[in-house]
Amino acid sequence: EAQVTQNPRYLITVTGKKLTVTCSQNMNHEYMSWYRQDPGLGLRQIYYSMNVEVTDKGDVPEGYKVSRKEKRNFPLILESPSPNQTSLYFCASSLLGSGANVLTFGAGSRLTVL
Amino acid sequence: AQTVTQSQPEMSVQEAETVTLSCTYDTSESDYYLFWYKQPPSRQMILVIRQEAYKQQNATENRFSVNFQKAAKSFSLKISDSQLGDAAMYFCAYRVGGSNYKLTFGKGTLLTVNP
Repeated sequence: EAQVTQNPRYLITVTGKKLTVTCSQNMNHEYMSWYRQDPGLGLRQIYYSMNVEVTDKGDVPEGYKVSRKEKRNFPLILESPSPNQTSLYFCASSLLGSGANVLTFGAGSRLTVL
Repeated sequence: AQTVTQSQPEMSVQEAETVTLSCTYDTSESDYYLFWYKQPPSRQMILVIRQEAYKQQNATENRFSVNFQKAAKSFSLKISDSQLGDAAMYFCAYRVGGSNYKLTFGKGTLLTVNP
């Protein structure tokens, strides 16, 4: 089944404890992206990647890092999480070539930082 | 910067009735794409419908259709014969062609379907 897989789905952590949210897709998509969803704000892009070793900032990149060492994986790293990073996170992927290409989303990762 | 506005934070509809969700966007681009995504309580983001800006014909997908008014920069979603399973948060989204492929989302409209 074609899908984007995120782990963990739920995580409660404490301020300053480094964590990584993994994202993997099995569709050979070049493009991958991370979004965060907060009540009343919709979804906002954190980082994106157009291909292996090519990453760039989105609208809200502060406090996050990403890497794209393999085409299928795009982990989101919180080096020193803070309470304002409590949010619902989505990884998404698509083919490049046309803006009409649909983004496929993962199931979301609910992160709470105490 | 492109913005997407959903002016209705919440809407409700009776089962089997029709409801229209509003969306407006602001852009100076000519090549772009518009989407409606559905987010049920499971939180999964599900594509409902897609519209290419260069197409004049409004997109339809079964009970879902859009009213795309390019000059007015409006992209409303009509749900016909509403079903209980349509209850969800609906997000309007915009994407510029040939860009970083970023989806810019509205803040969402929470749709309740009453039996």
